Amino acid sequence: GENVEQHPSTLSVQEGDSAVIKCTYSDSASNYFPWYKQELGKRPQLIIDIRSNVGEKKDQRIAVTLNKTAKHFSLHITETQPEDSAVYFCAASKGGSYIPTFGRGTSLIVHP
Amino acid sequence: EAGVTQSPTHLIKTRGQQATLRCSPISGHTSVYWYQQALGLGLQFLLWYDEGEERNRGNFPPRFSGRQFPNYSSELNVNALELEDSALYLCASSLGTGLKNTEAFFGQGTRLTVV
Repeated sequence: GENVEQHPSTLSVQEGDSAVIKCTYSDSASNYFPWYKQELGKRPQLIIDIRSNVGEKKDQRIAVTLNKTAKHFSLHITETQPEDSAVYFCAASKGGSYIPTFGRGTSLIVHP
Repeated sequence: EAGVTQSPTHLIKTRGQQATLRCSPISGHTSVYWYQQALGLGLQFLLWYDEGEERNRGNFPPRFSGRQFPNYSSELNVNALELEDSALYLCASSLGTGLKNTEAFFGQGTRLTVV
């Protein structure tokens, strides 16, 4: 089955800095890569996703890049703010069924 | 529009007992997924139901089971509870299967504590 590795497990940055979270996946058939943000005590919520026919996608301060050859994808957050502090999960799934396999999560801490 | 709802929010059980967790998907969603979120282990896939059928299950023992009802709501049952079953159990729903993956929306979860 699919295996998703996520790094780092903890990331601490100063407000205004950029943050990068990286994930690798094992199944070359995976074609959908969502990112979820889970604030303390709340449910995971989708913040951005990318499909395999696209190399990069941006939404304001967040962007995701995908390298299908290397089987890795990354989340980039620019101009971080304290409210960006949360656990971020990457996931991978393939067409025909949607069972996302999640990474173990990255705890992002943004210091004011 | 109501989101995914789960009940109860908290559940305390004794080792060896059975627990039943419930999930109501977003109206119109036919697929329901169950995940276990134990501390430090991320989101571990448990079960997937679509159109009333179990479509796939993760690497969990048979004492984890469930079902999906005709109205697409779902139940997760955990028999013979063990201490390590203590975790947050998250339910998610989506529009269903197909070549086009669709976003999964999560519920708030049920915090199960086994003592």
